[in-house]
Amino acid sequence: AQKVTQAQTEISVVEKEDVTLDCVYETRDTTYYLFWYKQPPSGELVFLIRRNSFDEQNEISGRYSWNFQKSTSSFNFTITASQVVDSAVYFCALSEAHGGATNKLIFGTGTLLAVQP
Amino acid sequence: DAMVIQNPRYQVTQFGKPVTLSCSQTLNHNVMYWYQQKSSQAPKLLFHYYDKDFNNEADTPDNFQSRRPNTSFCFLDIRSPGLGDAAMYLCATSRDPRATEQYFGPGTRLTVT
Repeated sequence: AQKVTQAQTEISVVEKEDVTLDCVYETRDTTYYLFWYKQPPSGELVFLIRRNSFDEQNEISGRYSWNFQKSTSSFNFTITASQVVDSAVYFCALSEAHGGATNKLIFGTGTLLAVQP
Repeated sequence: DAMVIQNPRYQVTQFGKPVTLSCSQTLNHNVMYWYQQKSSQAPKLLFHYYDKDFNNEADTPDNFQSRRPNTSFCFLDIRSPGLGDAAMYLCATSRDPRATEQYFGPGTRLTVT
């Protein structure tokens, strides 16, 4: 069965600190996709990144970086020099490619990040 | 430039009084999803439409129904809301069933009194 675990329920940091959000997934499929979404207090889920299972290259986008390691089934997300505007709930999600069936997102329980000024 | 629009953003209804939440999209995507997100929990998929084909999740209560009159609009009907149905309801779209990226609307926060 597929599952996404975000063990960190809440993290609090001071502005300018680096912070890493952990994500561990379980799947039996060889083809799958991993995502990170940001949910600010307004409620909208904002797409941050998608990786497919064949691409283990780490990615950097501005202050954001992602570390995908299939050997440990992890897809961790690091924010460098955090800012107050980064305060939000962050969800990691998994989607499996089921042939002709609709791809569905399996979400982790989310990590609430609070960045203090 | 709004792509997935949900109305209203906040909805208050009374226990047992039917309520309808609305979602529209300007992306011309074939698939529309409804998620329920309770406080401090992950979004949970209720059902989705692929074109006119309705696909219910096995554990979605019968109290929840959906309609998709055309490509752009999708409605979530709660026939007899209970206190436990108070949640954020998120609508999302994807280009087709195989597409991996979903675009979310801002959500409707439902309060049941």
